[in-house]
Amino acid sequence: EPEVTQTPSHQVTQMGQEVILRCVPISNHLYFYWYRQILGQKVEFLVSFYNNEISEKSEIFDDQFSVERPDGSNFTLKIRSTKLEDSAMYFCASSETSNEQFFGPGTRLTVL
Amino acid sequence: QQQVKQSPQSLIVQKGGISIINCAYENTAFDYFPWYQQFPGKGPALLIAIRPDVSEKKEGRFTISFNKSAKQFSLHIMDSQPGDSATYFCAASGPGSNYKLTFGKGTLLTVNP
Repeated sequence: EPEVTQTPSHQVTQMGQEVILRCVPISNHLYFYWYRQILGQKVEFLVSFYNNEISEKSEIFDDQFSVERPDGSNFTLKIRSTKLEDSAMYFCASSETSNEQFFGPGTRLTVL
Repeated sequence: QQQVKQSPQSLIVQKGGISIINCAYENTAFDYFPWYQQFPGKGPALLIAIRPDVSEKKEGRFTISFNKSAKQFSLHIMDSQPGDSATYFCAASGPGSNYKLTFGKGTLLTVNP
């Protein structure tokens, strides 16, 4: 069964550093999303991406964040100048029809 | 208006019992209501979903009941098993929100053997 994959599973970084979180969505899906989940809290929407451009972003997704689909398979989230409060699980999701979203296993980001 | 309110925060059920988790939404533009199951350290997994044109959807032991006029929907887990112990999130999305999912705060379900 096809699934969304994410790398790395755990990323530790120093405050102020840049990180890139990688996702490989399900191959025939057209809609891509990033969500984050701070420990013990609900899953929060960050950004949606369709047709090679951002379709919507939350107020969390400020200039510190960017997304890219560099090739036909990868979807990346870049966080510049990381802050302590960026520590969270980051989930990538993809969807064929814009409704049924399938989530990856997540990347745990720890900012020290 | 984008909130999805979920209750209870935690739930303990005996094996074989019925688990019921409730959600309420405010945005009438929402037209898709999924439930996700999340085990510790894993990503949310789509469990079952419903659209507002039906009042109930059943898949195996899992049933969603939907009340459009009350803007509420609930998840029923029949014959709950210890393996169902997980966090359950309701969510909602719609064309007016570019289909981003708005999640409830989650319910930690514990099924005792």
